[in-house]
Amino acid sequence: NAGVTQTPKFRILKIGQSMTLQCTQDMNHNYMYWYRQDPGMGLKLIYYSVGAGITDKGEVPNGYNVSRSTTEDFPLRLELAAPSQTSVYFCASRRVGIDEQYFGPGTRLTVT
Amino acid sequence: EDKVVQSPLSLVVHEGDTVTLNCSYEVTNFRSLLWYKQEKKAPTFLFMLTSSGIEKKSGRLSSILDKKELFSILNITATQTGDSAVYLCAVDGNEKLTFGTGTRLTIIP
Repeated sequence: NAGVTQTPKFRILKIGQSMTLQCTQDMNHNYMYWYRQDPGMGLKLIYYSVGAGITDKGEVPNGYNVSRSTTEDFPLRLELAAPSQTSVYFCASRRVGIDEQYFGPGTRLTVT
Repeated sequence: EDKVVQSPLSLVVHEGDTVTLNCSYEVTNFRSLLWYKQEKKAPTFLFMLTSSGIEKKSGRLSSILDKKELFSILNITATQTGDSAVYLCAVDGNEKLTFGTGTRLTIIP
């Protein structure tokens, strides 16, 4: 299993541009999550999904959108990028009833 | 709103010392508490705790949960430079994890 994969690894965006961060897991996990981590801070939940077709807001959803059309994929969309969205983004997944989350390697995004 | 507070925020010790990291929490519908180690990449799982008073141990690392007082500690004995990292505590409630800000541990050779 590849586990949780994320693309791209790095990206620089100009203010106002849009992009999609990709996340795929091959473990057939129902639950998937998007976090952002600012320097020196813990992880803050952006959006999560408990299964295909179901998404819900986390702690910091503003400026982001998600979709979950398949069990494997959970893309995160940034519309109108802002400098405040400069961060490292982690995707994670877990199986129903199992608390450990498996993390992807992260995407480092800079908005200038 | 669920809340996780870790202390200290940072800690610098000499190799061979023993350290204790603290995590307190407030969460509705508590399911479990998890510890992660984060170096310069994604967090890696250390422990999951669900019951009070039962110590989980892995080599020089151990952790215990107190559900009455709502806290957990992570102990690292005989520290090594490879233990230098940010240690994150997270609590599972209502299908999602709430993370603390982490404790940055630095081990001086």
